[in-house]
Amino acid sequence: AQTVTQSQPEMSVQEAETVTLSCTYDTSESNYYLFWYKQPPSRQMILVIRQEAYKQQNATENRFSVNFQKAAKSFSLKISDSQLGDTAMYFCAFMKHDGSWGKLQFGAGTQVVVTP
Amino acid sequence: DAGVIQSPRHEVTEMGQEVTLRCKPISGHNSLFWYRQTMMRGLELLIYFNNNVPIDDSGMPEDRFSAKMPNASFSTLKIQPSEPRDSAVYFCASRHAGTSGKNEQFFGPGTRLTVL
Repeated sequence: AQTVTQSQPEMSVQEAETVTLSCTYDTSESNYYLFWYKQPPSRQMILVIRQEAYKQQNATENRFSVNFQKAAKSFSLKISDSQLGDTAMYFCAFMKHDGSWGKLQFGAGTQVVVTP
Repeated sequence: DAGVIQSPRHEVTEMGQEVTLRCKPISGHNSLFWYRQTMMRGLELLIYFNNNVPIDDSGMPEDRFSAKMPNASFSTLKIQPSEPRDSAVYFCASRHAGTSGKNEQFFGPGTRLTVL
């Protein structure tokens, strides 16, 4: 079974600064997907960024980027130029690529608070 | 596209009553997932369907919980009888499980259930 660990319950960052969220996972699979989802106070789950394990290049989406270290089973999220609207709970998620119909395993989440 | 639609958004009921949560997935998506989110347990997958067929219901906590997907555009999650410990936010998500898909799950806004 896969496990996803987010060791930081809460992170605080000032506007325009950078914050990095950590995520580690445990799997024996070689092919899989990793995701970061954002859940603002509205509680809507929003996909922030995805990474395919077979791709060595780290994914980026505007101010969001990841540092994917497959051997270390690490998948951190960097938020650059933080904005007040980035305040949310961030979840790391794992999905096998074996035809299991997209079952996601989520971490416990990291609450990010952006302060003025 | 309207996105994943869930109803009701909020439900308050008394212990012992039957509760039915509803979900309309994104048109064209062929996988549907029900999640439960609580402070204690985080996001848990309850059950998921592919092409309207239940694939894995191992996350369903008890026989009091049941889910159906009578067609590609509608699913229900029923709790009978409900108990206070069922209080949580219930999310529905859908995905297109195609070979060229980005494997992203799109979440609905959730139903906040309170059982008194």
